[in-house]
Amino acid sequence: GNSVTQMEGPVTLSEEAFLTINCTYTATGYPSLFWYVQYPGEGLQLLLKATKADDKGSNKGFEATYRKETTSFHLEKGSVQVSDSAVYFCALTQFPGNTGKLIFGQGTTLQVKP
Amino acid sequence: EAGVTQFPSHSVIEKGQTVTLRCDPISGHDNLYWYRRVMGKEIKFLLHFVKESKQDESGMPNNRFLAERTGGTYSTLKVQPAELEDSGVYFCASSQVGVLIPFFGQGTRLTVV
Repeated sequence: GNSVTQMEGPVTLSEEAFLTINCTYTATGYPSLFWYVQYPGEGLQLLLKATKADDKGSNKGFEATYRKETTSFHLEKGSVQVSDSAVYFCALTQFPGNTGKLIFGQGTTLQVKP
Repeated sequence: EAGVTQFPSHSVIEKGQTVTLRCDPISGHDNLYWYRRVMGKEIKFLLHFVKESKQDESGMPNNRFLAERTGGTYSTLKVQPAELEDSGVYFCASSQVGVLIPFFGQGTRLTVV
């Protein structure tokens, strides 16, 4: 079945450091890929998405590229801020047969220190 | 426009008791989903409503869980009787038909002691 694997956390970085959170997936067909973020005390928010191979999703300085050859969708940011401290979830929806049902990874906690 | 709202934000109950979680989707959103995150693990799909009909309930863990969406508006998720392993954060999400990227609520943290 379809699944998502994320690098384990927590990840602790100093402000302005480079961030990579690895995400790989197993899926049949052509899934869409997502990164969601949960800031402390808040709900899940869509951070970025990519719907086909080689697409790059970007938002708030974060980027991720849909790599079908390596079945990966790694999240990157060039310079993190304290306000980026949150839990990040990689997810996919299946295609064909997309009903909006998301399959998530286990989440990676990021803590950015000043 | 109001987002997806969940009640309560936090609930602590004893093993064997009953708890009902509520989700108010964004107005006009026919798709409604329930998810659960247990013990820092992955967020797992529980079920999917389209209006008042259960489209997919393949993720419901057992018959102690009952989800309803009468009238196709808000939804409730009842756990009866609650067990320790039911502790976790329950998320609700909604979307319009044909727009399959859902908006999530802030979640309900359930603690069973």
